[in-house]
Parts: sequence; C-alpha cells; structure tokens
Amino acid sequence: QVQLVESGGALVKPGGSLRLSCAASRFTFSDYYMSWIRQAPGKGLEWVSYISSGGGDIQYADSVKGRFTISRDNAKNSLYLQMNNLRAEDTAVYYCAKDGGYSGYAFDYWGQGTLVTVSS
Amino acid sequence: QSALTQPASVSGSPGQSITISCTRTSSDVGTYNLVSWYQHIPGKAPKLMIYEATTRPSGVSNRFSASQSGNTASLTISGLQAEDEADYYCSLYVSSSLLFGGGTKLTVL
Repeated sequence: QVQLVESGGALVKPGGSLRLSCAASRFTFSDYYMSWIRQAPGKGLEWVSYISSGGGDIQYADSVKGRFTISRDNAKNSLYLQMNNLRAEDTAVYYCAKDGGYSGYAFDYWGQGTLVTVSS
Repeated sequence: QSALTQPASVSGSPGQSITISCTRTSSDVGTYNLVSWYQHIPGKAPKLMIYEATTRPSGVSNRFSASQSGNTASLTISGLQAEDEADYYCSLYVSSSLLFGGGTKLTVL
C-alpha cells in the first residue's frame, strides 16, 4: 500500500521559515506528479503547489507564490515544501498527495498531514 | 472566492440517498468533465472517491456515483451508512492550478 508520511510541521513566528518533507514509499515515486494541499482550522481544502515527476513543471497557488518553494528528490523518494515569510493565514494542516495519473489531476493517495502553526 | 460552489451541509437517514452538488460559477473554469470528489473524515487522510467526473477508483463502494449536467457536477451516495458521515469536496484542474469546492458536511441522522 502506498505510504506518504509528512514531517516538519511546527510552531513558527510570523515572518519565519519552515521546511516540510514528505517521505514516499511503495510506489515508483519518480513516475508521478506530487502536490501539497492544506487545510486551515475550520476551513476547506486548499491546493498549494504541484511538481511534475521530473521537477520541470511547477505551479503555485497565488496565496503562496513567491514565498513557498516545492521540490523533490527522486533518489530519496521525497517531496519538500520550503515555506518562507510565513503568515498567520498559513496556519494549517499540510498534506502531501500523489497524483493518480488520471486526466485532470486527481489525488489517489494522501498523507496524514503535518500541522504548521504561525503565531507570535 | 472559489469558482466551485457546494452546499455547506446535507443530511440523510441510514438507507436513504443524498446528492451533493458542485456548481461551476465561472464559465471559463476548465474542462468540467474532469471533476474529482474526495471524502474527508476529520483527523484522517482525504480519500479519492471519484475521478474524471464519473469514475470510481478500485475499492470505493458502488454506493458512490457521480454525474454531470451543464455547469453542475453531482455526487450521489445511496444506501447511506453511518460511516459515510464526512466532509466531501469536489475539485477541478483549471489553468495550471487546482480548485477545491468549499466542502459539504454530510450528517447521517
């Protein structure tokens, strides 16, 4: 069974930085697009960013563009999200998700999430 | 403001059927036949229930079905069970980004 395990969530002050990691296993990581999706407290799901299998196609939500950087290391089966200049509104559970390879993006596996809290 | 509008909540009794709508509010919102649906039980990882508008992944109960008419995609759950109580989200890929609907809380009475 596919496994995605996020880590790196923490309490950080506004303006601070954090790096999230997602360890993938039990599938050929290098074959699939991957995404970060978040859920703020009491809110719905919000897509944050995706990266193609080889890393050449990267997109961000407008809310994080210029502050967050997605990357991957296919040799380590790992996905990352570098978050800089964090704001209170970035407080959320962050999920990594595997694209299913279907038309139009659908995430067939998700991790359990890691909590990022931005507060002074 | 999301371009995918869902009702905030729906409810039904065990054994009944319910339908959750997802309405495209912008005419240029992507290819609408590529909507996907997710079930999210708080504290657990979201689960893909439908992709490409109407296709159920392997392992998803056939009590879950989906359709589309015009600007509205719909998820129907038949034979409601207590375990179906969750939040449900539609999603659509649009212009190199992904949109989620605001989510619908399903309560099984």
